[in-house]
Amino acid sequence: EADIYQTPRYLVIGTGKKITLECSQTMGHDKMYWYQQDPGMELHLIHYSYGVNSTEKGDLSSESTVSRIRTEHFPLTLESARPSHTSQYLCASSVGHTEKLFFGSGTQLSVL
Amino acid sequence: KQEVTQIPAALSVPEGENLVLNCSFTDSAIYNLQWFRQDPGKGLTSLLLIQSSQREQTSGRLNASLDKSSGRSTLYIAASQPGDSATYLCAVLGDSSYKLIFGSGTRLLVRP
Repeated sequence: EADIYQTPRYLVIGTGKKITLECSQTMGHDKMYWYQQDPGMELHLIHYSYGVNSTEKGDLSSESTVSRIRTEHFPLTLESARPSHTSQYLCASSVGHTEKLFFGSGTQLSVL
Repeated sequence: KQEVTQIPAALSVPEGENLVLNCSFTDSAIYNLQWFRQDPGKGLTSLLLIQSSQREQTSGRLNASLDKSSGRSTLYIAASQPGDSATYLCAVLGDSSYKLIFGSGTRLLVRP
């Protein structure tokens, strides 16, 4: 139903590496979001964007950064990964006044 | 501050049973409430969205109800099937908020 894609699906990296998690949607949605989810736990919003050149931090403090240069693209970057960043990262976008959310399949990140 | 609670945390039923999942929220000033399904290690799939002015939504064997005044929503699953096994999450969007607040989910297992 939804055309929102995240890559990579799984990523295992060493401490100190810089990584970028990709998220793209082809639905023309203005609003995009990044959530972080630990196993069996709630989703926490870490970044959101209401449109091009608009980004805001969410509730959960995160050392990651995001950019929104194009409507369809909302990458998340960790400048120096640490084991505490190990988690699942979920990207989402929403449409119109209903604010129905569409999620990507997620990136499972493991930092050794 | 909005808080979303889901009960039970886990549920195991035999195939064919009708079942009800519960979601409660503390602030009734909501814009909408959404129910999602999440399979292990995957992203979320939107099941039903209920606007604050609506009482219920139906999709196939799923029916979601909303009682804003009491801060409650239920997801009813009729004639459950093993393929329904997943984690079900509810999320609330506040009237003046930019973000969904998620519950921690109900893990459902439907036994053949």
